[in-house]
Amino acid sequence: NAGVTQTPKFQVLKTGQSMTLQCAQDMNHEYMSWYRQDPGMGLRLIHYSVGAGITDQGEVPNGYNVSRSTTEDFPLRLLSAAPSQTSVYFCASTPTPAVEQYFGPGTRLTVT
Amino acid sequence: AQTVTQSQPEMSVQEAETVTLSCTYDTSENNYYLFWYKQPPSRQMILVIRQEAYKQQNATENRFSVNFQKAAKSFSLKISDSQLGDTAMYFCAFMTHPSGTYKYIFGTGTRLKVLA
Repeated sequence: NAGVTQTPKFQVLKTGQSMTLQCAQDMNHEYMSWYRQDPGMGLRLIHYSVGAGITDQGEVPNGYNVSRSTTEDFPLRLLSAAPSQTSVYFCASTPTPAVEQYFGPGTRLTVT
Repeated sequence: AQTVTQSQPEMSVQEAETVTLSCTYDTSENNYYLFWYKQPPSRQMILVIRQEAYKQQNATENRFSVNFQKAAKSFSLKISDSQLGDTAMYFCAFMTHPSGTYKYIFGTGTRLKVLA
């Protein structure tokens, strides 16, 4: 079991560029989420999915898109990167929200 | 709107001593769950302990226990017999999922340093 994997681990983008952060899990979990972690602000929920084909917005969704075509994968797309999106991004999965979330190792993104 | 407040940005404790990290939250929901997650320098988020709001009994996991006061909306974490490996950021989190939505709110964290 690889658990939750994220690629890349580090990324530097220029303002206006687009990219996709990849997230995959091999635990057959229905729920998957994306968070960003900024200094002094804890983790904030960007988007989440309660199953394949179903996604919804979290607390800070602007500037990000998601899709969930399979149970395993939940990519996060930055459409036009801005310096305000410099952050560490975590993907997480869980079989049900009432129990533990399993987090990936994170992606550190810098937008210049 | 739900909020989670961790009022102690940093704390330190001597090895083998006991330390309590505080967390308060605000919600109008009656059904929710509370969590403490640990983030060591490796950046990996790890669940420490969880509590269902409908259970009055405080959760315990080995050296970790919580003091859950539902009326006061307080959820503190007690670490007994602190170990050097407990050095990490600790995040309190609140989760509710009314009517098919999903809200997961983290506090800003407490950085705990265990001193040898």
